[in-house]
Amino acid sequence: EDKVVQSPLSLVVHEGDTVTLNCSYEVTNFRSLLWYKQEKKAPTFLFMLTSSGIEKKSGRLSSILDKKELFSILNITATQTGDSAVYLCAVGGSQGNLIFGKGTKLSVKP
Amino acid sequence: SQTIHQWPATLVQPVGSPLSLECTVEGTSNPNLYWYRQAAGRGLQLLFYSVGIGQISSEVPQNLSASRPQDRQFILSSKKLLLSDSGFYLCAWSRTGVPYEQYFGPGTRLTVT
Repeated sequence: EDKVVQSPLSLVVHEGDTVTLNCSYEVTNFRSLLWYKQEKKAPTFLFMLTSSGIEKKSGRLSSILDKKELFSILNITATQTGDSAVYLCAVGGSQGNLIFGKGTKLSVKP
Repeated sequence: SQTIHQWPATLVQPVGSPLSLECTVEGTSNPNLYWYRQAAGRGLQLLFYSVGIGQISSEVPQNLSASRPQDRQFILSSKKLLLSDSGFYLCAWSRTGVPYEQYFGPGTRLTVT
């Protein structure tokens, strides 16, 4: 059965800290891995990764994929209270669907 | 730019009542459309997806159904709600040929009492 596992489930840090969120997967016919940020409502798209070793970066957020070890990390540097959210990892399989992890809840304290 | 709408934002319905949630997308043609449910403590679960008008694939057997009467309209329905249908329902879209980069609507919070 396909599965995506995120760790930790929750994390509390202070403003300015750097955090690393983890996502491991076991998916038949892997096609891509995506990261989303979910605040109160809809998840918003952050990154889509398809190739190993190529870092994607957007401001203070960056992500990288390791297709050999079947995991990805999402880094957030110099965290701000606005980074508080649930971060979702999802993996695309051969059916065109996304399999989601349960998310990591990040709380950034001032 | 593309926009996705869902309504209503919140809904409280008694057990056994019918359900109709609507999703529309603007600014794109022939999108792939998806319905997800997010229950407390669980990840997003894909319920239905559609690659075109009248084409619906179901991922999870249940008392829900979906329809796509127009290119950019996707409807989630039930004839009789169960308590277990409570959750946060999200509609998403992606471009044809790019199924994994999905963009989500604002969601509907459904509580079945």
